[in-house]
Amino acid sequence: KAGVTQTPRYLIKTRGQQVTLSCSPISGHRSVSWYQQTPGQGLQFLFEYFSETQRNKGNFPGRFSGRQFSNSRSEMNVSTLELGDSALYLCASSLGGGGEKLFFGSGTQLSVL
Amino acid sequence: DQQVKQNSPSLSVQEGRISILNCDYTNSMFDYFLWYKKYPAEGPTFLISISSIKDKNEDGRFTVFLNKSAKHLSLHIVPSQPGDSAVYFCAARSNSGNTPLVFGKGTRLSVIA
Repeated sequence: KAGVTQTPRYLIKTRGQQVTLSCSPISGHRSVSWYQQTPGQGLQFLFEYFSETQRNKGNFPGRFSGRQFSNSRSEMNVSTLELGDSALYLCASSLGGGGEKLFFGSGTQLSVL
Repeated sequence: DQQVKQNSPSLSVQEGRISILNCDYTNSMFDYFLWYKKYPAEGPTFLISISSIKDKNEDGRFTVFLNKSAKHLSLHIVPSQPGDSAVYFCAARSNSGNTPLVFGKGTRLSVIA
């Protein structure tokens, strides 16, 4: 079974631009969660989608948004990029029943210049 | 408000000795705890978990201990190997409802040969 796939692996943008990151979950997984990892801050929860609906949302500004498609693939968008948005963005999938562990992709490393 | 705390950013251990990584949590609703391991440029991978109905769970060289009254858990690695050098994240969630997994900031373990 293929794992969680995130594209692209690396991205360089400038302040004010917007960016879209993509995530394909493990086949059969209906829940996709997004996390931001910055040095010294651990993994901070952005949002979770289940069956095309946002089920949970973290404490991030409205510039961060996401969506999920009928095939469970998910995209995350960040508008009006700021320097502080430079981070590793991780996507994780699970079956979605609640309580189970997450399977992570390798992440997209975003650098904002 | 950090609900899951890993107070040691780094730990160095001699090969063959025991590594003990600690984690504290503040949310009394948490009842499922996990440890993830992360190598550079890769996503976190699941290591071991424990439910609040248990106080110990073992898997090969890895053992997790849970002290609910102290809201504390620890991961023991015996014997430590150089390949164990990675960042270890403690995570927790409440199994009532579909709540997100909350992560600590991580502890970087270095196993010295």
